Amino acid sequence: NAGVTQTPKFQVLKTGQSMTLQCAQDMNHNSMYWYRQDPGMGLRLIYYSASEGTTDKGEVPNGYNVSRLNKREFSLRLESAAPSQTSVYFCASPGTEAFFGQGTRLTVV
Amino acid sequence: GQSLEQPSEVTAVEGAIVQINCTYQTSGFYGLSWYQQHDGGAPTFLSYNGLDGLEETGRFSSFLSRSDSYGYLLLQELQMKDSASYFCAVGGGGKLIFGQGTELSVKP
Repeated sequence: NAGVTQTPKFQVLKTGQSMTLQCAQDMNHNSMYWYRQDPGMGLRLIYYSASEGTTDKGEVPNGYNVSRLNKREFSLRLESAAPSQTSVYFCASPGTEAFFGQGTRLTVV
Repeated sequence: GQSLEQPSEVTAVEGAIVQINCTYQTSGFYGLSWYQQHDGGAPTFLSYNGLDGLEETGRFSSFLSRSDSYGYLLLQELQMKDSASYFCAVGGGGKLIFGQGTELSVKP
């Protein structure tokens, strides 16, 4: 998807391991969001950043931390992965029209 | 808080018209948008309503009534490729919150 780059695409972690999902946008948007999507579910907001230097909790923030490094970049960190965090993660940069990254398929075993 | 309700699944035949409804509760509402997601893919933007009324984009139209906290997505001349999940989303309070999605199955 144009404008939002998300890495990695796939990841397998063992319970207790940590990892950081990276997201960058080149559309000069102020807002950036992280969502998770579980089978048959909608997208649930984990954390969002309305502007550089600010972050706020969304609907399901437990077990996650975020960093808004600059206007372009917004990373999501799992400090101690749990099987319940197995999901597909999407970074998005909303304006009136939200652009999404390709998604990260994370499996925690 | 914010919450949205939409039907979990809808089935229609090729060439038909289908309407997917969405009701919402939100604070600081600034608009209702619709997204399409095919299996394994990222959501893609379809339509946005910031004001009451109908927005038309090709075969897709979207409607909003702010007084009723209600909107819908209308898909006309359905094609097999329209089989996908459709999500409504509301913006407000700096957040963008999605509904659980409606899975549309288009049959021949």
